[in-house]
Amino acid sequence: AQSVTQPDIHITVSEGASLELRCNYSYGATPYLFWYVQSPGQGLQLLLKYFSGDTLVQGIKGFEAEFKRSQSSFNLRKPSVHWSDAAEYFCAVVPDNYGQNFVFGPGTRLSVLP
Amino acid sequence: GAVVSQHPSRVICKSGTSVKIECRSLDFQATTMFWYRQFPKKSLMLMATSNEGSKATYEQGVEKDKFLINHASLTLSTLTVTSAHPEDSSFYICSASAGLDYGYTFGSGTRLTVV
Repeated sequence: AQSVTQPDIHITVSEGASLELRCNYSYGATPYLFWYVQSPGQGLQLLLKYFSGDTLVQGIKGFEAEFKRSQSSFNLRKPSVHWSDAAEYFCAVVPDNYGQNFVFGPGTRLSVLP
Repeated sequence: GAVVSQHPSRVICKSGTSVKIECRSLDFQATTMFWYRQFPKKSLMLMATSNEGSKATYEQGVEKDKFLINHASLTLSTLTVTSAHPEDSSFYICSASAGLDYGYTFGSGTRLTVV
């Protein structure tokens, strides 16, 4: 079945430590890939997206993600986490032709220790 | 650019009443908007696709008579929760796309509480 998985439900890191959030998808073709962040009680903010081209994508707030076709992955990374990064992170996929709806991963909750 | 405004951000209503949630694209036109529902500590589930000038397309299991969607213009889609019950309490989020370069923009969400 086509799906988006985020294997880690909850991750805790210390402030200043590096971060990697995992995302895998199971679609035949390369879909459009997104990472969103959601603070409690808020909507979603786009961190970055990948459509084609360079597989290392830079986003806002110091985040980056790398698309690896061979692994069907689109992992989100940040070299040094700030306390304000604590939030819920969603990987999302637009499976085929642009204009279709998103399929969201289950989300990863990030906690940051002082 | 590519801002989506959702209103209200919070609403409390009595059981049996109806509630309307608005989703507006402020600086672009959106022929398609999407409505999602998010349960506590859960991911977003697509409820329906709102198409300007035509009927919405509902996902399986979503009651179209309970969740009425109207997309009367290229900048406005509304979701009306009719005869609301406590189990309809949830966080509802809309989204729209201004085009490939912008990706999809999400509204700030509406917290509905039915008492």
